[in-house]
Order: sequence, then structure tokens, then C-alpha cells
Amino acid sequence: DSGVTQTPKHLITATGQRVTLRCSPRSGDLSVYWYQQSLDQGLQFLIQYYNGEERAKGNILERFSAQQFPDLHSELNLSSLELGDSALYFCASSPPRRELNEQFFGPGTRLTVL
Amino acid sequence: DQQVKQNSPSLSVQEGRISILNCDYTNSMFDYFLWYKKYPAEGPTFLISISSIKDKNEDGRFTVFLNKSAKHLSLHIVPSQPGDSAVYFCAASDESNFGNEKLTFGTGTRLTIIP
Repeated sequence: DSGVTQTPKHLITATGQRVTLRCSPRSGDLSVYWYQQSLDQGLQFLIQYYNGEERAKGNILERFSAQQFPDLHSELNLSSLELGDSALYFCASSPPRRELNEQFFGPGTRLTVL
Repeated sequence: DQQVKQNSPSLSVQEGRISILNCDYTNSMFDYFLWYKKYPAEGPTFLISISSIKDKNEDGRFTVFLNKSAKHLSLHIVPSQPGDSAVYFCAASDESNFGNEKLTFGTGTRLTIIP
């Protein structure tokens, strides 16, 4: 158990809908990262937050947005969903002071868009 | 543009033998490399890492080798055990890029240990 929690575990929805994925980082971690893993692909970095502020953006679509709240949990919002958005979405966290970049991953949310 | 490549989608190894997983990268700014292990229905779990100032790092049965000139790293597992069967991801980051600590992942290698 990495200490990172994600809900829900599974989500099935229809095209055009909007969903929210939730992530709680490990206790004490200030950074939250979101990654997308499509079928047989590596994890693609979407976005990073640090202590409530957006820190870095990767290949995140404009239909997607995220935020990190004062209690440090984060939400990833996916709107106008398309079939191609079906994927595993992972959240990771890392501590505020670290020598090197070890990120701890949650179990993921499997999104299926029908 | 795949900056981190794992060219072998799968690998089968007899129990007790050595497993060698390979990873190549193209971005010369990468200076920190990690291996993650992933079981089905779970998130990736950190396994071992190496900084570009080293060429080898060992942790128990796991050793990572880094060849900077070839932009190549490998993970050796000796001896291989059935519990090692999983998907292994290579990842890299640019630690000098403070403020953007994203990891760039390869596509993974599925390792199967044959009893």
C-alpha cells in the first residue's frame, strides 16, 4: 500500500459526459501528479500540482482540468468524454523535501467510456 | 516522440535464472532513472533508481546499470522468482528542471517467470 488513495476504482460512463476522479496523497506529500495509461501504453504525464498550485503541464487535453485543494487532495475533471478517453488514470505523490524524484502511485481509476 | 523506449514488450525467464530488462532513452537532459513494477489492478510500485552520476546501483536481487554514452539502462534480477512476474516500467526525469518533476515512462516489459 503506497498510501495514495484514488476513488472511484472503476467508472463507466457515456460519451459526452463529465466525470471527476479523486486522489488523496500520502500524508505529508505536497506534490500530486496525474498520469494516463491507455491500452498497452506507458504512463503519460498529464499535470502536476504542488501545495495547491499548478506546477507543470504535460499532454493534458483542454477538456481535462485538475485542481488541488487546501487539504492537498486533488481532483481530475474530464468533460465531453470521448471513446478514446477510456484509460487507467493514476495519481502519484512525492514528499516536499526529497533527494531524488521518487513518486508513489495510487491504485488507479479505470475509466470506460461507452 | 517516445523519449524512453522499452523495445521488448515481453520476456520469459526460467525461475532461478537472471532476468535482464532493457531501456533506451533519447533525451540527454535526463539525469535520473527509475524502475517501477506493476501488478494487474494495482498502481506502479517503485523498485530501484539510479542517478546519472553513477553507473550501477544494487538493492538485493535487483541491480540497475546505466550506460550514459549509449543512453541505455538495464535492470537485472537475480535470481528470478515467480513473484517477479509483472510489468516493469522504466522512467526518467530531468532533475535540473526544478519545478517540473514529471516522469517520462517507457511502454513497459511484461516479465513472466516460469517455475
